[in-house]
Amino acid sequence: EAGVTQFPSHSVIEKGQTVTLRCDPISGHDNLYWYRRVMGKEIKFLLHFVKESKQDESGMPNNRFLAERTGGTYSTLKVQPAELEDSGVYFCASSQDEGIGEKLFFGSGTQLSVL
Amino acid sequence: EDKVVQSPLSLVVHEGDTVTLNCSYEVTNFRSLLWYKQEKKAPTFLFMLTSSGIEKKSGRLSSILDKKELFSILNITATQTGDSAIYLCAVRKGSTLGRLYFGRGTQLTVWP
Repeated sequence: EAGVTQFPSHSVIEKGQTVTLRCDPISGHDNLYWYRRVMGKEIKFLLHFVKESKQDESGMPNNRFLAERTGGTYSTLKVQPAELEDSGVYFCASSQDEGIGEKLFFGSGTQLSVL
Repeated sequence: EDKVVQSPLSLVVHEGDTVTLNCSYEVTNFRSLLWYKQEKKAPTFLFMLTSSGIEKKSGRLSSILDKKELFSILNITATQTGDSAIYLCAVRKGSTLGRLYFGRGTQLTVWP
């Protein structure tokens, strides 16, 4: 079974540019999550999709971040325009069932460096 | 404010040693605590704990939760170099079941 895949693995951009990260969840998983780890800090929740709908986007830092999941399959996270503080590792995770027994499967992350 | 604190942040041991990693939490409406292992890239699931005092075990790894004192420990016995990784503790709340609250992690390095 293919795991959660993220693209690219690493992106280096300049401040003010736009970057789009992609996540392909495990096939059949309705729940898709984006998390972010800024250097030296803990992994923090950004948002949660159930199929194509945003269930919870309370962790999104500001309106420079836009997440989409058209068709309820893969998801993209766009940062426009990028700022220095957006640097970090962006993780995607997916799961099949929501609830107390829910097990999240994580991707390898996209390392974003904004210079 | 919800808080998950792991200690130590970093630990270096030799092969064969036993280590104990700590995770304390202060969250409202606690439901479960999860441990993940992150080697190179993707965090991989180790344990989920929901009840106090019941040990979960997988090979040389074991974990237990104390809901009264609000902490969990992860034990690794007879460590091997392959145990070198970041160990992440995360808490799930009842109000937002799908969302995990993470600690900063413990970086474990096992020397041969």
